[in-house]
Amino acid sequence: QQQVKQSPQSLIVQKGGISIINCAYENTAFDYFPWYQQFPGKGPALLIAIRPDVSEKKEGRFTISFNKSAKQFSLHIMDSQPGDSATYFCAAYTTSGTYKYIFGTGTRLKVLA
Amino acid sequence: DSGVTQTPKHLITATGQRVTLRCSPRSGDLSVYWYQQSLDQGLQFLIQYYNGEERAKGNILERFSAQQFPDLHSELNLSSLELGDSALYFCASSVQLDSPLHFGNGTRLTVT
Repeated sequence: QQQVKQSPQSLIVQKGGISIINCAYENTAFDYFPWYQQFPGKGPALLIAIRPDVSEKKEGRFTISFNKSAKQFSLHIMDSQPGDSATYFCAAYTTSGTYKYIFGTGTRLKVLA
Repeated sequence: DSGVTQTPKHLITATGQRVTLRCSPRSGDLSVYWYQQSLDQGLQFLIQYYNGEERAKGNILERFSAQQFPDLHSELNLSSLELGDSALYFCASSVQLDSPLHFGNGTRLTVT
């Protein structure tokens, strides 16, 4: 119940295309859903985050879509660029019980020039 | 730069040895998390501290231990090292328990 399932494991997109990464969770106590971007040799960096009281959040080319009833959320990268090539992790967090973030298994995105 | 400092960046040691990884959180951050990332794997939560006290424990082996000191820096101690312990170890910090995490660039541990 503490898992966050992320798909796909890897993704190849043409420059200018839309990259979509999906995550699903089971624990309804999760109340904060961030996405992290990780470049090789670096630590993950917070990209964008959403709380379950909204269905969508957009920051530049990055959008999170959230479906509370389906317990799913996704990251959309519009107009994907080669510089977006990185590993993306979704995460879920709950303020109830023990305080910790649960991360998805990651999606390796490659954007072809 | 996230403001989280991890040392050393690289560590090569032999099986059976003990190592200590160090993390300095961002200024003002009270919470410290430790994660393990094996090759092509996700981030496995190890342990979390808040203002010096342990708050949550994940899949941390008994051979591993950690602590957060009064100045809020944290150390992760790994003992009786095995080949399978080779991984990237990340420290992250946050201002409060429910604040976003900020990660350091990790310590790459290689056990030979």
